[in-house]
Order: sequence, then structure tokens, then C-alpha cells
Amino acid sequence: NAGVTQTPKFQVLKTGQSMTLQCAQDMNHEYMSWYRQDPGMGLRLIHYSVGAGITDQGEVPNGYNVSRSTTEDFPLRLLSAAPSQTSVYFCASSELATNNEQFFGPGTRLTVL
Amino acid sequence: GDSVTQMEGPVTLSEEAFLTINCTYTATGYPSLFWYVQYPGEGLQLLLKATKADDKGSNKGFEATYRKETTSFHLEKGSVQVSDSAVYFCALQNTGFQKLVFGTGTRLLVSP
Repeated sequence: NAGVTQTPKFQVLKTGQSMTLQCAQDMNHEYMSWYRQDPGMGLRLIHYSVGAGITDQGEVPNGYNVSRSTTEDFPLRLLSAAPSQTSVYFCASSELATNNEQFFGPGTRLTVL
Repeated sequence: GDSVTQMEGPVTLSEEAFLTINCTYTATGYPSLFWYVQYPGEGLQLLLKATKADDKGSNKGFEATYRKETTSFHLEKGSVQVSDSAVYFCALQNTGFQKLVFGTGTRLLVSP
């Protein structure tokens, strides 16, 4: 099993550009989520999904879109990048029952100039 | 809303020293509590968890006890190693919800 994979590892964007961060998991997990990690703020939830076709907003959803057309994939779209979106982005997945371990990808470091 | 508070870092220790990283939480209901660890350049991975009051989670020599009376889940290890250098995150998951609420993380630096 590859677990949770994310691409790209690093990305530099200019303000106003759009891009998609890719996330895939091969564990057949129903629950997937996106977090951003900023210094001194821990991880904050952006969007999450409890299954294909179902998504919902987390704590900091503005400026981001998600979709879940398959169980395996959960891409995160930046519509018009802003310097405030400079961060490290982590995708995570787990089985739907609570108390289960969430598995994290290696992260994407995004810089917006 | 739910929240997690961790001690500020970095925590700097010599090898074989005793480690404590404090974590307290605020939550309605009866949350599950977790410690995740992030090694340099990697994603987070689960270190240990406890799902109800007085439970003790343990793994790789690390321990934490769910104390409902003090709303705490402090991480301890009796003898740290250089390889334990990482960022440690305390997190909670409230009943019926999947999402994790994280603390700000505590960086641990262990020198030989």
C-alpha cells in the first residue's frame, strides 16, 4: 500500500494563479480531509469528505474548493492564489468510524508570491 | 468550541532525560484524545491515543493518561533519544465527529 500520496511536494505560484493539489489514498477510506499547517497555529481543517460525492467545509475554507468523484481521490483547488495561502498542506484519510487513526500524506509546501 | 492547548516549545533535552509535554483541552461531551508526531520533512503519524477517562495510551516508550478531572493528556517518556526529535501535536476528536482539533505543536530537540 502506498498509503496517502500528495503531489506536488513543492509549488511556487504568483498571486492570482490557480492550481490543484492532488491527494490519493489506496486504503479504501471513506473519510478524507485537507489541513493547512502554519507556524504557531497547528493544523487547521480546510475541507473534508465522508464519501464520494459528499464534501463539507472545515474551519478555514475560503479560497479553496474540493470535489470527491471517487473514493480514492480528493483534490484541493486554489481558485486565485493569495500570499495568505502560503502554507504546508496535508491530506489525511481514515475509516469513517470515530477514534480511528487518521493517515497523513507527506505534505505540499506552497509559496504564493 | 473545542480547543487544545499545548506548551510552547522548543523543548531542548539531553539524551536519556525525562520528557513531559503538557496538553490540556476544552470540549463538550466526551472526546477521544491523540498524540501525533511529525518527523522532519514528513507528514503526521499517530503516536498514541486514549478514548475515555483514565485510559492510558502508550507506544514506543511514550505514555499519556486521559485525565477528565484536569482536562489534560500530558505526554511523557522516561528516557528520550536523539531520534525522538520531532514536533508533537496533541489533538482531540469529539464524539460523533471525524474531524481532529489540533494544538499548535511542540518541537522537541534532543542532543547527544
